[in-house]
Amino acid sequence: GENVEQHPSTLSVQEGDSAVIKCTYSDSASNYFPWYKQELGKRPQLIIDIRSNVGEKKDQRIAVTLNKTAKHFSLHITETQPEDSAVYFCAASKGINYQLIWGAGTKLIIKP
Amino acid sequence: EADIYQTPRYLVIGTGKKITLECSQTMGHDKMYWYQQDPGMELHLIHYSYGVNSTEKGDLSSESTVSRIRTEHFPLTLESARPSHTSQYLCAAQQGGGDQPQHFGDGTRLSIL
Repeated sequence: GENVEQHPSTLSVQEGDSAVIKCTYSDSASNYFPWYKQELGKRPQLIIDIRSNVGEKKDQRIAVTLNKTAKHFSLHITETQPEDSAVYFCAASKGINYQLIWGAGTKLIIKP
Repeated sequence: EADIYQTPRYLVIGTGKKITLECSQTMGHDKMYWYQQDPGMELHLIHYSYGVNSTEKGDLSSESTVSRIRTEHFPLTLESARPSHTSQYLCAAQQGGGDQPQHFGDGTRLSIL
């Protein structure tokens, strides 16, 4: 079945620098790739998602890129701020009759 | 406001007790899910439902059971709680198919003494 690997497990960056989290999926039929942010003690919340007919999507300081050939997608956060500190999860799905398969999460630490 | 609600938020209870964790959504979404998550760690799917009277077990073996008698309600029951059940339980709802986002509740933090 589908497998999603997420790296790194922990990422520490200086405030103002960029952060990149990468996920690799195994099933080439996957076509939906969301990213969730979970702050300490809170629910996971969708921050951005991308479908397989698009190579890149941006929303202010966050962007997601998708490389279907290599079967990986990445979350990019620019000009990081303290409020970006959280655990980030990627996921992949093959579509309407399939579940989301989750990555193991990345703890992002923003150093002041 | 349309949302997904979980109660209780926190529960500390003794071994052997029967527990029901409540999850309700006002979004009218067909699909609902239960995840088990240790704080900040991986999400493990334990049960899901694609509609009324539909329930399936997830990837993580669990001694819990679920029911889906109404679209908006998806309770999870532990017949006899054990310390190994100590964790956070997250409920989620999703409209349409797997290519749509899941929306999560605030979770229930369960501690079994």
